[in-house]
Parts: sequence; structure tokens; C-alpha cells
Amino acid sequence: GAGVSQSPRYKVAKRGQDVALRCDPISGHVSLFWYQQALGQGPEFLTYFQNEAQLDKSGLPSDRFFAERPEGSVSTLKIQRTQQEDSAVYLCASSFTGDDYEETQYFGPGTRLLVL
Amino acid sequence: AQSVTQLDSHVSVSEGTPVLLRCNYSSSYSPSLFWYVQHPNKGLQLLLKYTSAATLVKGINGFEAEFKKSETSFHLTKPSAHMSDAAEYFCVVGYNFGNEKLTFGTGTRLTIIP
Repeated sequence: GAGVSQSPRYKVAKRGQDVALRCDPISGHVSLFWYQQALGQGPEFLTYFQNEAQLDKSGLPSDRFFAERPEGSVSTLKIQRTQQEDSAVYLCASSFTGDDYEETQYFGPGTRLLVL
Repeated sequence: AQSVTQLDSHVSVSEGTPVLLRCNYSSSYSPSLFWYVQHPNKGLQLLLKYTSAATLVKGINGFEAEFKKSETSFHLTKPSAHMSDAAEYFCVVGYNFGNEKLTFGTGTRLTIIP
């Protein structure tokens, strides 16, 4: 695939349910980012990986949020015991981080999560 | 800490007239600045970026932006609006040339009047 893909595209969860959101970055991209976009707002940073190492998780809103990238490629964002305030679009982005230090983050289409 | 302020939440222009979307930034050191566009039900797309080279940056679809350090601004312009430009636009500041987290503004919705 040419771009970043995310699945599922839409997820409806009952309050208290656990959810897992998947991100497939562009092949060969070293860096992977997760952002949360609430309705009518700009995306907000959640966490960042370089290969399998999680270098920054300062944006995760609570310990119910957990992200992993065990083999340095696909990443999963897990939300435990979902709450209504978790309803948002979750965006994944990847960048190459190669010889050109001026990197561009390429975004996926997002997963729209609705917690009822 | 770094931040961006988009001064207009909504801008309407007639087709064929100039577009100006305003952005001011705050940064404790030389920032990397970006404009992204988000069309309905589509992913974020990079329009252009400034990372300490030329202060006038040209992007895709005829858009350009000028980095003005004295005014801490990075306004987005286009000489002539097209119907396809209708979308949400985000001004963004990045850490470490965009290699780390991006901080987004609240967005400006651009409406094009036929």
C-alpha cells in the first residue's frame, strides 16, 4: 500500500469496553505517531515510537491508554474501560527519519471511535 | 513549550479571490512550521513546511506561506481560490524539524462561495 492504513475505520463501543486500534505505517518508515482529534478540534499528540521504542508517551491522557509497536512496524493503540470522553478520531502518522532530517509525517485516514 | 494560534475559526471567500489564513506561533527556539489540510472524510495532507531554509515557502495547489520571525507569524495565502480548496486548514508547529510530536492549531474552516 502507498499510504498509512488504519483499522477499523469506525468503532462503536459501550462504556467500559476495551478497544484496540491498529495502524499500518508506510513500509520502511521508522517513526510512528498517534494523535487524538476531538470533534471540532485540532489533533493532539498522544505518543511516538522510533522502531519498537516508545520515546514519548507524554500525551496519553490516562493509564487506560496503552500503545505498542513490538516489531517496529504495525502499532496498536489500546484503550481500556472506555469512557464517553474517549470518543474522538484517532490518527496515526509515520515518517521515514532517514538521511533528510527535515521529515514529513504522513497521516492515515483515522479511526472514529464512539463510546456510548 | 510551543504553540500556534489560528486567528480565524472560519473564513469565507468568493471563488477567484485571494485567500488569507492567519497563524501566529510561540516557540522558545527556531521552530518548524507546517500547514496541513483536511478535506471531509479524508486524511490530513501536508500543504507546505518551513524548517529554517527560505522564509517564503511554496506548497501544493498554489498555496504559499511566509515565515516572519519579527511578527511570529506564518500566514497561508493563495492568489485565487478554487472550489476544491474548501476544507479545514491546520497550522502546526513541530519539534526537532518535525521528527517528533506536532502541535496543531484549532483549525480554520475555509468556505468558497461560487
